[in-house]
Amino acid sequence: KQEVTQIPAALSVPEGENLVLNCSFTDSAIYNLQWFRQDPGKGLTSLLLIQSSQREQTSGRLNASLDKSSGRSTLYIAASQPGDSATYLCAAFGGRRALTFGSGTRLQVQP
Amino acid sequence: DTEVTQTPKHLVMGMTNKKSLKCEQHMGHRAMYWYKQKAKKPPELMFVYSYEKLSINESVPSRFSPECPNSSLLNLHLHALQPEDSALYLCASSQDVEKLFFGSGTQLSVL
Repeated sequence: KQEVTQIPAALSVPEGENLVLNCSFTDSAIYNLQWFRQDPGKGLTSLLLIQSSQREQTSGRLNASLDKSSGRSTLYIAASQPGDSATYLCAAFGGRRALTFGSGTRLQVQP
Repeated sequence: DTEVTQTPKHLVMGMTNKKSLKCEQHMGHRAMYWYKQKAKKPPELMFVYSYEKLSINESVPSRFSPECPNSSLLNLHLHALQPEDSALYLCASSQDVEKLFFGSGTQLSVL
């Protein structure tokens, strides 16, 4: 059974810092990995999707990498802003044809 | 149109009520999903429909009854729920092993 772990569970940084969120998964037989953002009480906002054949994807200040062989993905956020404060979730789409989510990283960016 | 529409956005029901959650997509996706998310927890898979057939049931109690009337619609029928069933219910769709698109969810409160 796929297990997805995210480290750290919570992170507080001053505005302007670059930061890295980590995600690991136990079963490397995945089709893709998605990163989401979730604001309190809201639904999921899709940030980036990395297909299993890809190594990284970029969107604006966000860059996600995938190393299938080691079961790891990272989300890099450049020049963080207070508006980036949210919970970030990674999710692996595996052989069961469904997403398995990590427990998330709660990010607080201080002005 | 890249939206998944969920209705209602909020629902309050008593333990003896029967209600239904609705989900609709017009992207031609053939896989549709129900996830349940408790506060401060990651989404957990409940059901997956593939080509209008139930392919995954994550041992969900029978008081939750999914239905896929056609390729664009997904319902979740609720009956005799418990207060611990209060959660955000998220619907998603995808084309095979591609990106999942999520709706904004239904916030359910069971009194």
